Amino acid sequence: EPEVTQTPSHQVTQMGQEVILRCVPISNHLYFYWYRQILGQKVEFLVSFYNNEISEKSEIFDDQFSVERPDGSNFTLKIRSTKLEDSAMYFCASSDVVRETQYFGPGTRLLVL
Amino acid sequence: AQSVTQPDIHITVSEGASLELRCNYSYGATPYLFWYVQSPGQGLQLLLKYFSGDTLVQGIKGFEAEFKRSQSSFNLRKPSVHWSDAAEYFCAVATSGGSNYKLTFGKGTLLTVNP
Repeated sequence: EPEVTQTPSHQVTQMGQEVILRCVPISNHLYFYWYRQILGQKVEFLVSFYNNEISEKSEIFDDQFSVERPDGSNFTLKIRSTKLEDSAMYFCASSDVVRETQYFGPGTRLLVL
Repeated sequence: AQSVTQPDIHITVSEGASLELRCNYSYGATPYLFWYVQSPGQGLQLLLKYFSGDTLVQGIKGFEAEFKRSQSSFNLRKPSVHWSDAAEYFCAVATSGGSNYKLTFGKGTLLTVNP
């Protein structure tokens, strides 16, 4: 069964450093998403992406965040200058043209020190 | 704005007992409703979903959920819990506007299964 994959599974970084989280969505999917879950809190929507542009972004997704689909298979989330409060589990998801169901990857646990 | 409430943070049941996890939502239009499960170190796996039609939906692993519009609820049930069901369960509602489509999640319910 096709699945969404994410790398790395864990990342530790220093405050102020740039990080790139990578995702490989399911191959025939067209809609891509990033969510995050701060420890003990809800899973929160960050951004949705379609046709090489952002469809919607939340208030969390400020100028330090960016997304990109650099090639036909990868979907990345970049955090330009990490803050302590960016420590969270980041989930990538994708859905097909019908968009009925979002399929999630296993997540990347980011720890900012 | 849409919201999802899962009133129970942590539930403990004995193996073989029945289970009901509660979920209430707030959304102006007809909601698309989902239950996801997250095992330790794993991603979010879809258990079941409701879009329209029969209000009782069947999912994987023997789970079912019932949509009750009058109560704004979408509770998850299983008649007999297995030790492998221990995990965190998230209820979510899909909201859309134009081409946008995002999930709003509840805080989750952690399920512990006693032998």
